[in-house]
Amino acid sequence: AQSVTQLGSHVSVSEGALVLLRCNYSSSVPPYLFWYVQYPNQGLQLLLKYTTGATLVKGINGFEAEFKKSETSFHLTKPSAHMSDAAEYFCAVSRETSYDKVIFGPGTSLSVIP
Amino acid sequence: KAGVTQTPRYLIKTRGQQVTLSCSPISGHRSVSWYQQTPGQGLQFLFEYFSETQRNKGNFPGRFSGRQFSNSRSEMNVSTLELGDSALYLCASSPGLAGGSTDTQYFGPGTRLTVL
Repeated sequence: AQSVTQLGSHVSVSEGALVLLRCNYSSSVPPYLFWYVQYPNQGLQLLLKYTTGATLVKGINGFEAEFKKSETSFHLTKPSAHMSDAAEYFCAVSRETSYDKVIFGPGTSLSVIP
Repeated sequence: KAGVTQTPRYLIKTRGQQVTLSCSPISGHRSVSWYQQTPGQGLQFLFEYFSETQRNKGNFPGRFSGRQFSNSRSEMNVSTLELGDSALYLCASSPGLAGGSTDTQYFGPGTRLTVL
């Protein structure tokens, strides 16, 4: 069965520092990959997604992620953290386009220290 | 455009009762999906409706059901509530034409259901 792991349930970074949130998946088939953000008391918001083509994907709010097939990874990065980036981040993967086939990771809570 | 709205935002019920949650999608969106979010199980897909028809279904018991109206608004019903049904229930809408997860979904703020 397909699975998604996010290393670190809690990550803290200083304001202005690099943000790196890790996501690894188990799949023998090139997947569809997603990163979502969830702010307190809100629903999920799509940050970026990889479906095909360029492996470096740029998203909203200055985030980007790189699909590395050999490492089965899709890590999320942002060069400089802002206080407003504090939230829960979810990686998701799917081998097919059906919503019932999307597997969400457990999430990483990002704290930004002033 | 107005975003996805969900009502009510908070709900407290007791075991054995039933509950109905409502979701109004973004204007023009025809696909509505429902998700359950719990600390233990994380985010899990419940079902998707498109043009009043259930198009996809997750692995949940029959106590969980839904429907979609002609204006694309959707309701989700849970009967015979159990303690484990306590969760944040999220609704998401998308245009639906692509017919899958590559179609960007827009999420509502959720309904927090507590079962006592």
